[in-house]
Amino acid sequence: DIVLTQSPLSLPVTPGEPASISCRSSQSLLQSNGYNYLDWYVQKPGQSPQLLIYWASHRASGVPDRFSGSGSGTDFSLKITRVEAEDVGVYYCMQTVQTALTFGGGTKVEIK
Amino acid sequence: EVQLLESGGGLVQPGGSLRLSCAASGFPFSNYAMTWVRQAPGKGLEWVSTIRGRTGETHYADSVKGRFTISRDNSNSTVSLQMNSLRAEDTAVYYCTNPYLYPAAYWGLGALVTVSS
Repeated sequence: DIVLTQSPLSLPVTPGEPASISCRSSQSLLQSNGYNYLDWYVQKPGQSPQLLIYWASHRASGVPDRFSGSGSGTDFSLKITRVEAEDVGVYYCMQTVQTALTFGGGTKVEIK
Repeated sequence: EVQLLESGGGLVQPGGSLRLSCAASGFPFSNYAMTWVRQAPGKGLEWVSTIRGRTGETHYADSVKGRFTISRDNSNSTVSLQMNSLRAEDTAVYYCTNPYLYPAAYWGLGALVTVSS
């Protein structure tokens, strides 16, 4: 199985400041079609996971443009340009290159 | 509008069985794989099982292989998870999901399964 390692575990942020989360894969997620099969989710307290970014860098429907994803192969990152209070939650990366989906351990974003 | 609605969660004793169902609507159900993901209390997300759309090919996490069975009814747009020989470590919220409807992904609200005596 593909192992995804996220960092940091916890990320206290000040509203209006940027934030960045890293996700490293044990195997390349780049496929022959040129797409990286890496998604980013946020799980807000008491809610189901919500898709933010798919194929490493494509924003999902309705996601604000302050969220962006980048990276290729085995190293990926999620960036929030200016954190807002509503962005608190746990962020997960997830690989879809294998049927056996795997998730990163999660990064808890909280407001300072 | 896409909707996924889980049912069937509850409290069961160790060694017991439970069946979860997920009713889907708003997309061509038979064309898509459907997946169950679980989340133990205070923990992260864990993939449990996936069933392909038209072929019905099934896949399981090692932690549930031989105990859980995923199935689907394309005529009724439902996917089910039969859980046997339940253990305390199976206690979790179980989510039904279609994570492949890019540019969106859809998850149900989740069904809580508690395995305890």
